[in-house]
Amino acid sequence: GDSVTQMEGPVTLSEEAFLTINCTYTATGYPSLFWYVQYPGEGLQLLLKATKADDKGSNKGFEATYRKETTSFHLEKGSVQVSDSAVYFCALSGNSGNTPLVFGKGTRLSVIA
Amino acid sequence: DAGVIQSPRHEVTEMGQEVTLRCKLISGHNSLFWYRQTMMRGLELLIYFNNNVPIDDSGMPEDRFSAKMPNASFSTLKIQPSEPRDSAVYFCASRPLGGATDTQYFGPGTRLTVL
Repeated sequence: GDSVTQMEGPVTLSEEAFLTINCTYTATGYPSLFWYVQYPGEGLQLLLKATKADDKGSNKGFEATYRKETTSFHLEKGSVQVSDSAVYFCALSGNSGNTPLVFGKGTRLSVIA
Repeated sequence: DAGVIQSPRHEVTEMGQEVTLRCKLISGHNSLFWYRQTMMRGLELLIYFNNNVPIDDSGMPEDRFSAKMPNASFSTLKIQPSEPRDSAVYFCASRPLGGATDTQYFGPGTRLTVL
């Protein structure tokens, strides 16, 4: 079945450091890929998405590129802020759209001033 | 537009009591998902519905848990009787049916504490 593997955390960075959170997937066909973010005490919210190969999703300075050749969707940000401290989830949607998103286990990011 | 609405936001109850969590979908969405999140087990899918019909309840931990969709816009998750190990944050999420590229929208969650 479909699955998502993301790097285990926690990840601790200093403010203005470069961030990469790795995400790889296993799926049949051509899934859509998502990154969600969960801030402390809140629900998950969509950060960005990409729906086909080579698409780049971007939002709030975060970017991720859909790489079909490496089945990856790594999340990057050039300069993190304390306010980026959260848990980040990579997810995929199968072809039919009638099934739930498949989530990775989440990566906790802490940014220190 | 209003997002997914959950109530209550916090619930504290004693072991053995019945607990009912509520969720209102985003208008026009017809897939509904219930999740549970704990530190130990992370985010777990409990059950999901398409067009009010339960499709997969394999994630429901025990018979003490039940979920319904009495209409297209509303769902309940009931725990009877509740136990301390049910303490968690429960999220519901909704999504348009059939939209493979569509986002799943989460509610703010209900934090349940069973004493």
